Amino acid sequence: AQSVAQPEDQVNVAEGNPLTVKCTYSVSGNPYLFWYVQYPNRGLQFLLKYITGDNLVKGSYGFEAEFNKSQTSFHLKKPSALVSDSALYFCAVRETAVGNNRLAFGKGNQVVVIP
Amino acid sequence: NAGVTQTPKFQVLKTGQSMTLQCAQDMNHNSMYWYRQDPGMGLRLIYYSASEGTTDKGEVPNGYNVSRLNKREFSLRLESAAPSQTSVYFCASIRATGATIYEQYFGPGTRLTVT
Repeated sequence: AQSVAQPEDQVNVAEGNPLTVKCTYSVSGNPYLFWYVQYPNRGLQFLLKYITGDNLVKGSYGFEAEFNKSQTSFHLKKPSALVSDSALYFCAVRETAVGNNRLAFGKGNQVVVIP
Repeated sequence: NAGVTQTPKFQVLKTGQSMTLQCAQDMNHNSMYWYRQDPGMGLRLIYYSASEGTTDKGEVPNGYNVSRLNKREFSLRLESAAPSQTSVYFCASIRATGATIYEQYFGPGTRLTVT
């Protein structure tokens, strides 16, 4: 079964510093990987996805993520965090063999950017 | 496009009462999903509909029923609400055609409290 682990409950970072949110996955085959962001009292918004090809994926709002097959990781990064990046971030995985587009989500990471 | 819409935004029920959460999308997406979000547990799939006319159980289907009314609408029904069903419910949809891998689009959520 596909699954995702987001090992940290909360990530605190000073404004202007690099931001990293960690994600590791488990699938039986090749993965499709996604990052979503949730602002307070809102639905999830898509940030970026890895399907195939270049291991560094660029997405919305200056975010990027690096796919590492040997470490089964897909960490989200931003070079310089903004206070407005404070939100809940979810990593999700889908197995390539699964035809129903079902995603398995991690439990989420609260990011707090300190002014 | 309104995207994915959900009604109501908030609801308080007494134990044993029933209600239906409504979801509609105007993006001509084939597949639709219902999730619940609980603190520290991420999003868990309740039911999904891969295409019009089909529905399948997800990870946590007990206590819920669904109806894919047409291609646009996918409702979630609680027949006899229980306090354990207090949660935030999200509907999502995805294009799901051809070989291209698309992301899921989420509604704004329904915050349900069962007393």
